[in-house]
Amino acid sequence: KAGVTQTPRYLIKTRGQQVTLSCSPISGHRSVSWYQQTPGQGLQFLFEYFSETQRNKGNFPGRFSGRQFSNSRSEMNVSTLELGDSALYLCASRQGLEPLHFGNGTRLTVT
Amino acid sequence: QKEVEQNSGPLSVPEGAIASLNCTYSDRGSQSFFWYRQYSGKSPELIMFIYSNGDKEDGRFTAQLNKASQYVSLLIRDSQPSDSATYLCAAQGAQKLVFGQGTRLTINP
Repeated sequence: KAGVTQTPRYLIKTRGQQVTLSCSPISGHRSVSWYQQTPGQGLQFLFEYFSETQRNKGNFPGRFSGRQFSNSRSEMNVSTLELGDSALYLCASRQGLEPLHFGNGTRLTVT
Repeated sequence: QKEVEQNSGPLSVPEGAIASLNCTYSDRGSQSFFWYRQYSGKSPELIMFIYSNGDKEDGRFTAQLNKASQYVSLLIRDSQPSDSATYLCAAQGAQKLVFGQGTRLTINP
C-alpha cells in the first residue's frame, strides 16, 4: 500500500501570498489530519477531516482552512501568508482510531 | 496543565544502556496511546501503540501503560546511536488525538 503523499515537498512564498498544500491519504483511510511544526516546537494540530466534514479544529486563525474531497484527498490553504507561517506542514491519515500515518511533509518558507 | 506532558529533555543515554521516556496525560477517558519517533527534519514514524494496562514489547522497545496513574512510558533497550531522535507521545481521547511536545533523546557512543 502506498503511504501518505504530500505535495509539494518544498515551497517558497512571499508575505501576503496564499498557498495550497495537498495530501493523498493511504487507500481506505477516511480521516485526514493536518499539523504545523516549527523549529523546536511540537506538533500543532490544525484540523481533522472525515468524510468531507471537518471533525476537529485547532487554535489557528481563519487564514488557515482546509477541505476534503469525496476520494478522501485533502487540501490545506493558508491565505495572507506571514513570516511566522514558515514551518513543516504534516498531513496524516488513519482508519478509525488506529495509529496516524504521516506523510513526508511540505516545508513552507515565507520570505 | 497540558493534556499530554513529556519532559522535553534532552535525555542523554550511553550506547547500550536502557533509555526510559515518560509521558503523562490528563484525560482519564483516553483509551489508546502511541509513541512516534521523529528524526530532525523528517516526519514522525510510529514506534509502538498500546491500549491495555501493562507492558507491550516489540524488539528492543517496550511500552508501558498505567491508566490508574495516567502514565505511559517507552523503554528502549540496548540503545543505539540511531535511536537519537525526538520521541512523541500521543493519547487518543473521546474527541481527539493529543500529542505531547516530545522528548529529545541523544545516545552517546
